[in-house]
Amino acid sequence: DIQMTQSPSSLSASVGDRVTIACRASHFISNFLNWYQQKPGKAPNLLVYGASNLLSGVPSRFSGSGSGTDFTLTISGLQPEDSAIYYCQQSYNTPPFTFGPGTKVDIK
Amino acid sequence: EVQLVESGGSLVQPGGSLRLSCAASGFTFSSDSMNWVRQAPGKGLEWVSYISSNSRSIYYADSVKGRFTISRDNDKNSLYLQMYSLRAEDTATYYCARDSVVWGFFDYWGQGTPVTVSS
Repeated sequence: DIQMTQSPSSLSASVGDRVTIACRASHFISNFLNWYQQKPGKAPNLLVYGASNLLSGVPSRFSGSGSGTDFTLTISGLQPEDSAIYYCQQSYNTPPFTFGPGTKVDIK
Repeated sequence: EVQLVESGGSLVQPGGSLRLSCAASGFTFSSDSMNWVRQAPGKGLEWVSYISSNSRSIYYADSVKGRFTISRDNDKNSLYLQMYSLRAEDTATYYCARDSVVWGFFDYWGQGTPVTVSS
Protein backbone atom coordinates (compact mmCIF):
# COMPACT_ATOMS: atom_id res chain seq x y z
CA ASP A 1 0.00 0.00 0.00
CA ILE A 2 1.04 3.59 -0.56
CA GLN A 3 2.11 5.44 2.57
CA MET A 4 1.83 9.19 2.99
CA THR A 5 3.98 11.48 5.12
CA GLN A 6 3.55 15.17 5.87
CA SER A 7 5.87 17.84 7.20
CA PRO A 8 5.90 19.65 9.43
CA SER A 9 3.52 17.98 11.87
CA SER A 10 2.64 21.41 13.22
CA LEU A 11 3.49 25.03 12.61
CA SER A 12 2.69 28.42 14.01
CA ALA A 13 2.58 31.45 11.77
CA SER A 14 1.32 35.01 11.77
CA VAL A 15 -1.59 36.46 9.88
CA GLY A 16 -0.42 37.35 6.40
CA ASP A 17 2.42 34.83 6.34
CA ARG A 18 3.01 32.40 3.51
CA VAL A 19 2.72 28.83 4.78
CA THR A 20 3.84 25.67 2.99
CA ILE A 21 2.92 22.11 3.94
CA ALA A 22 4.71 19.20 2.33
CA CYS A 23 3.28 15.78 1.54
CA ARG A 24 5.23 12.81 0.22
CA ALA A 25 4.00 9.50 -1.15
CA SER A 26 5.97 6.27 -0.75
CA HIS A 27 5.34 5.42 -4.40
CA PHE A 28 4.50 7.25 -7.60
CA ILE A 29 0.93 8.62 -7.50
CA SER A 30 1.01 10.93 -10.55
CA ASN A 31 -1.19 13.87 -9.56
CA PHE A 32 -3.79 11.88 -7.63
CA LEU A 33 -3.29 13.91 -4.49
CA ASN A 34 -5.98 15.75 -2.57
CA TRP A 35 -5.89 18.19 0.34
CA TYR A 36 -8.43 18.58 3.13
CA GLN A 37 -8.89 21.09 5.92
CA GLN A 38 -10.40 19.99 9.22
CA LYS A 39 -11.45 22.26 12.05
CA PRO A 40 -12.13 20.99 15.58
CA GLY A 41 -15.31 18.97 15.90
CA LYS A 42 -16.05 19.19 12.19
CA ALA A 43 -15.79 16.88 9.21
CA PRO A 44 -12.92 17.44 6.78
CA ASN A 45 -13.47 19.80 3.85
CA LEU A 46 -11.91 19.24 0.46
CA LEU A 47 -9.68 22.12 -0.64
CA VAL A 48 -7.59 20.87 -3.57
CA TYR A 49 -7.92 17.84 -5.82
CA GLY A 50 -5.69 16.43 -8.49
CA ALA A 51 -2.70 18.06 -6.78
CA SER A 52 -3.39 21.57 -8.07
CA ASN A 53 -7.10 22.01 -8.75
CA LEU A 54 -8.79 24.34 -6.30
CA LEU A 55 -12.31 23.32 -5.42
CA SER A 56 -14.89 25.93 -6.37
CA GLY A 57 -15.49 28.31 -3.47
CA VAL A 58 -12.12 27.74 -1.80
CA PRO A 59 -10.23 31.02 -1.29
CA SER A 60 -7.55 31.67 -3.89
CA ARG A 61 -4.90 32.04 -1.17
CA PHE A 62 -4.83 28.23 -1.13
CA SER A 63 -2.85 26.49 -3.84
CA GLY A 64 -1.46 23.04 -4.45
CA SER A 65 1.43 21.81 -6.53
CA GLY A 66 3.55 18.76 -7.23
CA SER A 67 3.40 15.45 -9.03
CA GLY A 68 4.89 12.01 -8.75
CA THR A 69 5.73 11.64 -5.07
CA ASP A 70 6.20 15.17 -3.73
CA PHE A 71 3.45 17.70 -3.21
CA THR A 72 2.86 20.99 -1.41
CA LEU A 73 -0.09 22.97 -0.13
CA THR A 74 0.57 26.69 0.14
CA ILE A 75 -1.46 29.30 1.95
CA SER A 76 -0.46 32.72 0.65
CA GLY A 77 -1.54 35.25 3.21
CA LEU A 78 -2.58 33.23 6.24
CA GLN A 79 -5.91 34.24 7.78
CA PRO A 80 -7.22 33.55 11.30
CA GLU A 81 -9.86 31.20 9.91
CA ASP A 82 -7.13 29.04 8.39
CA SER A 83 -6.27 27.63 11.81
CA ALA A 84 -6.96 23.92 11.28
CA ILE A 85 -5.40 20.55 10.58
CA TYR A 86 -4.54 19.86 6.95
CA TYR A 87 -4.45 16.34 5.52
CA CYS A 88 -3.21 15.09 2.20
CA GLN A 89 -4.79 11.98 0.66
CA GLN A 90 -3.66 9.84 -2.23
CA SER A 91 -6.24 8.44 -4.65
CA TYR A 92 -3.98 6.65 -7.14
CA ASN A 93 -4.82 3.06 -7.94
CA THR A 94 -7.26 2.95 -5.05
CA PRO A 95 -8.73 1.61 -2.84
CA PRO A 96 -7.14 1.67 -0.33
CA PHE A 97 -7.16 5.43 0.01
CA THR A 98 -4.45 6.75 2.30
CA PHE A 99 -4.31 9.94 4.28
CA GLY A 100 -1.24 11.68 5.57
CA PRO A 101 -0.90 12.12 9.34
CA GLY A 102 -1.91 15.78 9.21
CA THR A 103 -0.32 19.18 9.76
CA LYS A 104 -1.70 21.42 12.46
CA VAL A 105 -1.60 25.11 11.58
CA ASP A 106 -1.86 27.60 14.43
CA ILE A 107 -2.04 31.37 14.28
CA LYS A 108 0.49 33.27 16.39
CA GLU B 1 -28.01 20.83 -1.27
CA VAL B 2 -26.01 17.66 -0.73
CA GLN B 3 -26.50 16.17 2.72
CA LEU B 4 -25.05 13.09 4.35
CA VAL B 5 -26.37 12.26 7.81
CA GLU B 6 -24.85 9.42 9.79
CA SER B 7 -26.56 7.65 12.66
CA GLY B 8 -26.22 4.55 14.77
CA GLY B 9 -23.11 5.31 16.75
CA SER B 10 -23.12 4.43 20.44
CA LEU B 11 -21.24 2.84 23.32
CA VAL B 12 -20.72 -0.90 22.77
CA GLN B 13 -18.80 -3.56 24.64
CA PRO B 14 -15.73 -5.22 23.15
CA GLY B 15 -16.81 -8.08 20.93
CA GLY B 16 -20.15 -6.45 20.27
CA SER B 17 -21.81 -5.37 17.04
CA LEU B 18 -23.17 -2.14 15.68
CA ARG B 19 -24.76 -0.94 12.47
CA LEU B 20 -24.12 2.56 11.19
CA SER B 21 -26.34 4.28 8.64
CA CYS B 22 -25.80 7.23 6.35
CA ALA B 23 -28.80 8.93 4.79
CA ALA B 24 -28.02 10.77 1.57
CA SER B 25 -29.95 13.55 -0.14
CA GLY B 26 -29.43 16.30 -2.68
CA PHE B 27 -27.67 14.20 -5.30
CA THR B 28 -28.23 11.05 -7.33
CA PHE B 29 -27.06 8.58 -4.70
CA SER B 30 -27.35 5.58 -7.01
CA SER B 31 -24.72 7.06 -9.35
CA ASP B 32 -21.96 7.64 -6.81
CA SER B 33 -19.43 5.53 -4.98
CA MET B 34 -19.36 5.93 -1.22
CA ASN B 35 -16.90 5.43 1.58
CA TRP B 36 -16.63 5.20 5.34
CA VAL B 37 -13.75 7.05 6.98
CA ARG B 38 -13.03 7.06 10.69
CA GLN B 39 -11.09 9.21 13.09
CA ALA B 40 -10.01 8.00 16.50
CA PRO B 41 -10.05 10.65 19.26
CA GLY B 42 -7.19 13.08 18.71
CA LYS B 43 -5.90 11.10 15.74
CA GLY B 44 -5.86 11.39 11.97
CA LEU B 45 -8.19 10.15 9.27
CA GLU B 46 -8.35 6.47 8.36
CA TRP B 47 -10.20 5.18 5.32
CA VAL B 48 -12.35 2.17 6.31
CA SER B 49 -14.37 0.93 3.35
CA TYR B 50 -15.52 1.65 -0.21
CA ILE B 51 -18.58 0.58 -2.17
CA SER B 52 -19.24 1.31 -5.82
CA SER B 53 -22.51 2.76 -7.04
CA ASN B 54 -23.94 -0.64 -7.96
CA SER B 55 -22.36 -2.50 -5.00
CA ARG B 56 -20.30 -4.69 -7.33
CA SER B 57 -16.98 -3.41 -6.03
CA ILE B 58 -16.33 -3.40 -2.29
CA TYR B 59 -13.06 -2.86 -0.47
CA TYR B 60 -11.96 -2.72 3.16
CA ALA B 61 -8.97 -1.51 5.10
CA ASP B 62 -6.92 -4.40 6.46
CA SER B 63 -7.74 -3.25 9.98
CA VAL B 64 -11.45 -4.06 9.55
CA LYS B 65 -11.45 -6.78 6.90
CA GLY B 66 -13.51 -9.75 7.98
CA ARG B 67 -15.23 -7.80 10.77
CA PHE B 68 -17.01 -4.95 8.95
CA THR B 69 -19.49 -5.13 6.07
CA ILE B 70 -20.40 -2.17 3.88
CA SER B 71 -23.67 -2.11 1.97
CA ARG B 72 -26.08 0.30 0.39
CA ASP B 73 -29.73 0.56 -0.56
CA ASN B 74 -30.07 2.83 -3.58
CA ASP B 75 -33.85 2.79 -3.30
CA LYS B 76 -33.57 4.26 0.19
CA ASN B 77 -30.58 6.51 -0.59
CA SER B 78 -28.75 4.93 2.30
CA LEU B 79 -25.30 3.60 3.08
CA TYR B 80 -24.56 1.17 5.89
CA LEU B 81 -21.64 -0.18 7.86
CA GLN B 82 -22.25 -3.36 9.84
CA MET B 83 -19.53 -3.77 12.43
CA TYR B 84 -18.86 -7.06 14.23
CA SER B 85 -16.28 -8.19 16.81
CA LEU B 86 -15.65 -4.62 17.83
CA ARG B 87 -12.39 -3.75 19.54
CA ALA B 88 -11.24 -0.82 21.64
CA GLU B 89 -9.19 0.38 18.67
CA ASP B 90 -12.40 0.77 16.63
CA THR B 91 -13.37 3.66 18.89
CA ALA B 92 -13.71 6.63 16.56
CA THR B 93 -16.01 9.05 14.84
CA TYR B 94 -17.24 7.42 11.66
CA TYR B 95 -17.90 9.57 8.60
CA CYS B 96 -19.58 8.64 5.36
CA ALA B 97 -18.17 10.42 2.34
CA ARG B 98 -19.09 10.66 -1.34
CA ASP B 99 -16.39 9.60 -3.75
CA SER B 100 -15.44 11.28 -7.00
CA VAL B 101 -14.89 8.30 -9.27
CA VAL B 102 -12.45 10.04 -11.60
CA TRP B 103 -10.13 11.69 -9.09
CA GLY B 104 -10.95 9.73 -5.97
CA PHE B 105 -11.43 12.70 -3.74
CA PHE B 106 -14.13 12.85 -1.10
CA ASP B 107 -16.15 15.95 -1.85
CA TYR B 108 -19.01 15.60 0.62
CA TRP B 109 -18.85 14.30 4.17
CA GLY B 110 -21.42 13.71 6.86
CA GLN B 111 -21.09 15.19 10.33
CA GLY B 112 -19.93 11.88 11.76
CA THR B 113 -21.32 9.45 14.32
CA PRO B 114 -19.28 8.45 17.39
CA VAL B 115 -18.58 4.84 18.24
CA THR B 116 -17.06 3.95 21.61
CA VAL B 117 -15.96 0.39 22.31
CA SER B 118 -15.48 -0.05 26.02
CA SER B 119 -16.55 -2.27 28.87
